[in-house]
Amino acid sequence: KNEVEQSPQNLTAQEGEFITINCSYSVGISALHWLQQHPGGGIVSLFMLSSGKKKHGRLIATINIQEKHSSLHITASHPRDSAVYICASTDSNYQLIWGAGTKLIIKP
Amino acid sequence: NAGVTQTPKFRILKIGQSMTLQCAQDMNHNYMYWYRQDPGMGLKLIYYSVGAGITDKGEVPNGYNVSRSTTEDFPLRLELAAPSQTSVYFCASSLGIAGNTIYFGEGSWLTVV
Repeated sequence: KNEVEQSPQNLTAQEGEFITINCSYSVGISALHWLQQHPGGGIVSLFMLSSGKKKHGRLIATINIQEKHSSLHITASHPRDSAVYICASTDSNYQLIWGAGTKLIIKP
Repeated sequence: NAGVTQTPKFRILKIGQSMTLQCAQDMNHNYMYWYRQDPGMGLKLIYYSVGAGITDKGEVPNGYNVSRSTTEDFPLRLELAAPSQTSVYFCASSLGIAGNTIYFGEGSWLTVV
């Protein structure tokens, strides 16, 4: 059974700091998703990746298929980055398995 | 494109009442999903559909029903509402299941009293 674990569960940092959120999964996948959920509740897809690295603005997502590990990095963090970040992978039945999320707070 | 549209945004139900959460997408996506998110918890899959006329249970289907008569619409029906169904409900869609971006509705806040 595929399990997805995120760390840390909670992260508080100062504005400008470099942020790393980690995601580990237990079985092989075809894709891994990173999503962002703002305090108002809306969920937005940030990245979908199956290998290597993707970058969008100050956000970078990497994946290591051999180690079954993905990271989400935020450079020059800003209070508006405060949100819950969720990763999800697919299991053998091609169902999405969701991590519990990482709550990020960026203080000004 | 409107993306994924959910209604209503907020609803209070009495125990035993029934209601339908509406979900529509205009991206011609095959896959549609209903999730619930309890306070401080992650998303749990209630039902999903891989195309019109095809639905299947997710992790927490009890107390809910769905139908998919068209590609665009995927309503979620709550029968005999219970306090345990107090949650935020999200509808989502994607073109495929594994390698495609997932689009979410804005969520529906449901309270059962």
